[in-house]
Amino acid sequence: AQTVTQSQPEMSVQEAETVTLSCTYDTSESDYYLFWYKQPPSRQMILVIRQEAYKQQNATENRFSVNFQKAAKSFSLKISDSQLGDAAMYFCAYRFWGAQKLVFGQGTRLTINP
Amino acid sequence: DVKVTQSSRYLVKRTGEKVFLECVQDMDHENMFWYRQDPGLGLRLIYFSYDVKMKEKGDIPEGYSVSREKKERFSLILESASTNQTSMYLCASSLQGAKNIQYFGAGTRLSVL
Repeated sequence: AQTVTQSQPEMSVQEAETVTLSCTYDTSESDYYLFWYKQPPSRQMILVIRQEAYKQQNATENRFSVNFQKAAKSFSLKISDSQLGDAAMYFCAYRFWGAQKLVFGQGTRLTINP
Repeated sequence: DVKVTQSSRYLVKRTGEKVFLECVQDMDHENMFWYRQDPGLGLRLIYFSYDVKMKEKGDIPEGYSVSREKKERFSLILESASTNQTSMYLCASSLQGAKNIQYFGAGTRLSVL
């Protein structure tokens, strides 16, 4: 069975600095998708970034980028120039290419210090 | 914008009550999902549906059932609520296809007393 592990229950960073959230996963499949979702306090979960496993290039969305290491089964999220609005729970998720369901990690609570 | 609406943000129920959680999406998505979110455990899939009247068990279906009579609506049913079902419940929807994004509702925080 596929599993996703986020080993940092909580992280904090000073505003305007860079922070990296870690995620590892376990799968025997070669074709899959990886996602980072953000859940702000009392608000809906939204997609931050998506990575296709067959792509070697790391995905980037504005201040958010990933470091995808397929052989190491690692998928970390880097947030540059952290802003107060980045404070949220962040979830890493995996989906096999032939499946509909997502497998989520435990989540990392990110605090931004002004 | 995709909208996934959950009927209640907060619910308080008694042990043994039958509880209905409702979810509606407005983007004609084939797939709909019910997750349970608990601290330290992340999100765990309860059930999902890939078409009207079609459903599949997720990772933790025990104590729950679902209903999908119309494409836009997916209901989660707790036949006899228990205190260990106190949790945050999240509904999501997506188009079919593994690369497609799941869109989430705001969640229902259920307390069973």
